[in-house]
Amino acid sequence: DAMVIQNPRYQVTQFGKPVTLSCSQTLNHNVMYWYQQKSSQAPKLLFHYYDKDFNNEADTPDNFQSRRPNTSFCFLDIRSPGLGDAAMYLCATSRDRGGYTFGSGTRLTVV
Amino acid sequence: GENVEQHPSTLSVQEGDSAVIKCTYSDSASNYFPWYKQELGKRPQLIIDIRSNVGEKKDQRIAVTLNKTAKHFSLHITETQPEDSAVYFCAASPASGSNYKLTFGKGTLLTVNP
Repeated sequence: DAMVIQNPRYQVTQFGKPVTLSCSQTLNHNVMYWYQQKSSQAPKLLFHYYDKDFNNEADTPDNFQSRRPNTSFCFLDIRSPGLGDAAMYLCATSRDRGGYTFGSGTRLTVV
Repeated sequence: GENVEQHPSTLSVQEGDSAVIKCTYSDSASNYFPWYKQELGKRPQLIIDIRSNVGEKKDQRIAVTLNKTAKHFSLHITETQPEDSAVYFCAASPASGSNYKLTFGKGTLLTVNP
């Protein structure tokens, strides 16, 4: 009964080939987040949606985009993945100021 | 923006001992401080959180203390067990407007030796 579901768990993409990661939730939380976590590092926020409002972090590369077509789904698009984009990508949700619920993550490999 | 410092980066204890992990934050407007446990290859999971209107919160073997004046908060685990071994992250959330995002510390790798 996973509440925040990320697909796929593992994704291999070619250098420069666009890739999309998906996240869905059954919690009806109004806030959804995308974090990038590299090995042995803290999760780093890329952007988040508060309801339909998109909030980009100042240091998030232009290569990263996001879409939230409805409350339940959120997508992370990487337009031209580079080797430095290999990481675990974590989706999380919250209801306003509540605690986060994380998905299991998608581990992205760029070859 | 908010900056969260976490210490130590690694911590090794004997089973049954206590473990303490400390974090400091920079934004005095932050008012929500969760702690997450992340086992290898798994998602971070919320283990305890505290809001700025209280100084201490306890849940069985886990406690968190908050000193708003000094801008630091700590995680205390008593009677540690091998299954407590994981990476622990602290985080802080500023309270302004609709900004609910968490800033994480760099994590502490806790190893509990049997």
